[in-house]
Amino acid sequence: EAGVTQSPTHLIKTRGQQATLRCSPISGHTSVYWYQQALGLGLQFLLWYDEGEERNRGNFPPRFSGRQFPNYSSELNVNALELEDSALYLCASSLGGQAFDEQFFGPGTRLTVL
Amino acid sequence: KQEVTQIPAALSVPEGENLVLNCSFTDSAIYNLQWFRQDPGKGLTSLLLIQSSQREQTSGRLNASLDKSSGRSTLYIAASQPGDSATYLCAVRPRRETSGSRLTFGEGTQLTVNP
Repeated sequence: EAGVTQSPTHLIKTRGQQATLRCSPISGHTSVYWYQQALGLGLQFLLWYDEGEERNRGNFPPRFSGRQFPNYSSELNVNALELEDSALYLCASSLGGQAFDEQFFGPGTRLTVL
Repeated sequence: KQEVTQIPAALSVPEGENLVLNCSFTDSAIYNLQWFRQDPGKGLTSLLLIQSSQREQTSGRLNASLDKSSGRSTLYIAASQPGDSATYLCAVRPRRETSGSRLTFGEGTQLTVNP
């Protein structure tokens, strides 16, 4: 069974540009989560989607947004990129939106902003 | 606000040694706690998930315990091997409604097992 997949593996952008990151959950999973792992800041929760709806977001500015498609895959968009957006972005999926559901993580997308 | 702390930040041990990694959290109202492994520049591999009603979970050479009332968890690794070298992360799922379904992570313990 395929795990969570993310694309691209690496992404290099310049300040002010937009970045789009993609995530495909494990088959049968309806919830997708996005986390940011910036150097020195640890893993921070970004967004949670379930059944196509945004259910919760972390303490990030509105230029971080996303969506979930009918097939449960998800996109994370980061507008007006800033240098401090450089980080590893991790996507996770779970069977449903229940709080006790285990989250399974993908390999991540390394975003570098120059 | 839930805070998760992991001690030590780094640990270096000789191969074959048994070791314990510690995780503490400030709010005992959690659904569950997960231990992850992260290799450099890679994603997270889930090692063990302990629901709030459980006291421990075991998988192979790994054993994780949970003491919710004191806000502590430990990850015990038996007979460590060089392949165990990685960063180990602890994460809790808070019960507070405003937290939703997010995980709150510790900073991790960087483990090096020397041959």
